[in-house]
Amino acid sequence: DGGITQSPKYLFRKEGQNVTLSCEQNLNHDAMYWYRQDPGQGLRLIYYSQIVNDFQKGDIAEGYSVSREKKESFPLTVTSAQKNPTAFYLCASSISSHSGANVLTFGAGSRLTVL
Amino acid sequence: GESVGLHLPTLSVQEGDNSIINCAYSNSASDYFIWYKQESGKGPQFIIDIRSNMDKRQGQRVTVLLNKTVKHLSLQIAATQPGDSAVYFCAENWAGNQFYFGTGTSLTVIP
Repeated sequence: DGGITQSPKYLFRKEGQNVTLSCEQNLNHDAMYWYRQDPGQGLRLIYYSQIVNDFQKGDIAEGYSVSREKKESFPLTVTSAQKNPTAFYLCASSISSHSGANVLTFGAGSRLTVL
Repeated sequence: GESVGLHLPTLSVQEGDNSIINCAYSNSASDYFIWYKQESGKGPQFIIDIRSNMDKRQGQRVTVLLNKTVKHLSLQIAATQPGDSAVYFCAENWAGNQFYFGTGTSLTVIP
């Protein structure tokens, strides 16, 4: 079955540590996205990538980094510079980000808790 | 039952009744809209979409209505079932590459 796989589902981090969340898709989608979800708020865009080896900052990129070395993979690193990293992180993909009217397909999410 | 945009983020309905979930979107240039359903601890699932050149679109038990004049989107769920209990988000899209999401409405179906 085609889809998006996020791992780990749950992750605990000590303050000062960097952690990397994995996102893999086998949908052959060009565009990939990372969103952060906090209680009572809409999804907020962290980073997105329209093509391999290219990515752009979203609305809340500070304290995060990404890479897009392969079409299928878009890992997100939450660095120690992120002041409030406890949240639910969602990875998504779409066929293309240029032509519009493209449905975002989401993974199951990764819940990060800072101890 | 009916929710009123972002001011009433919860909606409770009796099983079998129809549900109406509302969304006020922000950008008059938005040309594509999607409704997502999100169950607790899971990622959002696509329900139905609509382009700005349409006023209404129907799916299986769901209907989306778009009123561009007042920048309003609604999701109607017919004969609501316990499995419909979830948070529902609207998303608007313009310029192709980014979506903006509402805060969501939590729907609870009472058996």
